[in-house]
Amino acid sequence: DQQVKQNSPSLSVQEGRISILNCDYTNSMFDYFLWYKKYPAEGPTFLISISSIKDKNEDGRFTVFLNKSAKHLSLHIVPSQPGDSAVYFCAARSDWNSKLTFGKGITLSVRP
Amino acid sequence: DGGITQSPKYLFRKEGQNVTLSCEQNLNHDAMYWYRQDPGQGLRLIYYSQIVNDFQKGDIAEGYSVSREKKESFPLTVTSAQKNPTAFYLCASSIGILAGGDNEQFFGPGTRLTVL
Repeated sequence: DQQVKQNSPSLSVQEGRISILNCDYTNSMFDYFLWYKKYPAEGPTFLISISSIKDKNEDGRFTVFLNKSAKHLSLHIVPSQPGDSAVYFCAARSDWNSKLTFGKGITLSVRP
Repeated sequence: DGGITQSPKYLFRKEGQNVTLSCEQNLNHDAMYWYRQDPGQGLRLIYYSQIVNDFQKGDIAEGYSVSREKKESFPLTVTSAQKNPTAFYLCASSIGILAGGDNEQFFGPGTRLTVL
């Protein structure tokens, strides 16, 4: 039973346009959400996070939106750059446990 | 400079042999984790440890074992009981719940294990 779902396996966007990566979760105990970026044959790197007490967190070109009632979050990248091409993982955890639950990832391709 | 080290980058073993993957961190983190990545499967948690001398099973612990005798080290043994051991293994660490804070996980570069 997948508690964190990234239903689209891939996304392709033009350089300079917006990339929107979606993530849904089913466990209402999750209260902290993270996005990681991963290149092939490397470990994931932390990108941005959001606590359940917020509905938006912004860091440069990256913004994460959280809709708790819909159990949905999204990562917006504006403007998209070719270097953003990677696999993006959504992850979630409960406050009482350090364990993260990851989605299956989405492969983003930014076309020059 | 601080970080997480996994060695070796690539590892080959014959079927039926146990193999131990190393993970070392000098970030002074309390918590450490082992994940496995397979194509189309994302990251699946094998074992995690929130403090020295303690660890818990993750979602796919069967066929694996760990130890946490030192804060900076969390080795993973892939035993011959693991049915599909060929995968990309990732180690991570975080400050830990006991220390408070965001508790983001930081990952090592990974070890690609191939069992022949």
